[in-house]
Amino acid sequence: EDQVTQSPEALRLQEGESSSLNCSYTVSGLRGLFWYRQDPGKGPEFLFTLYSAGEEKEKERLKATLTKKESFLHITAPKPEDSATYLCAVQADGSTLGRLYFGRGTQLTVWP
Amino acid sequence: DVKVTQSSRYLVKRTGEKVFLECVQDMDHENMFWYRQDPGLGLRLIYFSYDVKMKEKGDIPEGYSVSREKKERFSLILESASTNQTSMYLCASRPTRTGLNTEAFFGQGTRLTVV
Repeated sequence: EDQVTQSPEALRLQEGESSSLNCSYTVSGLRGLFWYRQDPGKGPEFLFTLYSAGEEKEKERLKATLTKKESFLHITAPKPEDSATYLCAVQADGSTLGRLYFGRGTQLTVWP
Repeated sequence: DVKVTQSSRYLVKRTGEKVFLECVQDMDHENMFWYRQDPGLGLRLIYFSYDVKMKEKGDIPEGYSVSREKKERFSLILESASTNQTSMYLCASRPTRTGLNTEAFFGQGTRLTVV
């Protein structure tokens, strides 16, 4: 049973077309929600950590928000270089020894 | 800068071979992880370790073992490689800290092909 679900699986945007990626989770007692970016053939690269509902973080064209059941990664006026797979992960109360639970990712393609 | 280094970017091995994937981190982190990543399946945890010589099974440990003799190094071993172990393997490390939880840091990945 998936504890972290990301949607959509794939998203194609035209350059400048803003949108949002979703990460919903079913764990209780969230201790942290993490967003990563992964380029093809490379390891995931850390973007943001969110800890509590209502929290927001921004980096360039990306903004991450958190509610009690989901997180959104908003992409404003994306550029082709934003094309990547975006992964969401959570740590919950009782997570064995600090392991994170990952979603399957959203593959974002931004075309010129 | 934080660094997690995997010994190989690409490997090609034959069915039945014993395969070693090495991972080294320079951040003095207690926790280290091995994942495999396959299209449509996301990141799946194979094994993790929270201290030297300590290990825990993840979600898909069958066909794999691990070794952690030093804090900075975590090795993944494929006892007898099979074609269904062809995949991208990712190593990660993470500190154990009280208070706020910190992110995991990933290596660049090893693309293993078993023929």
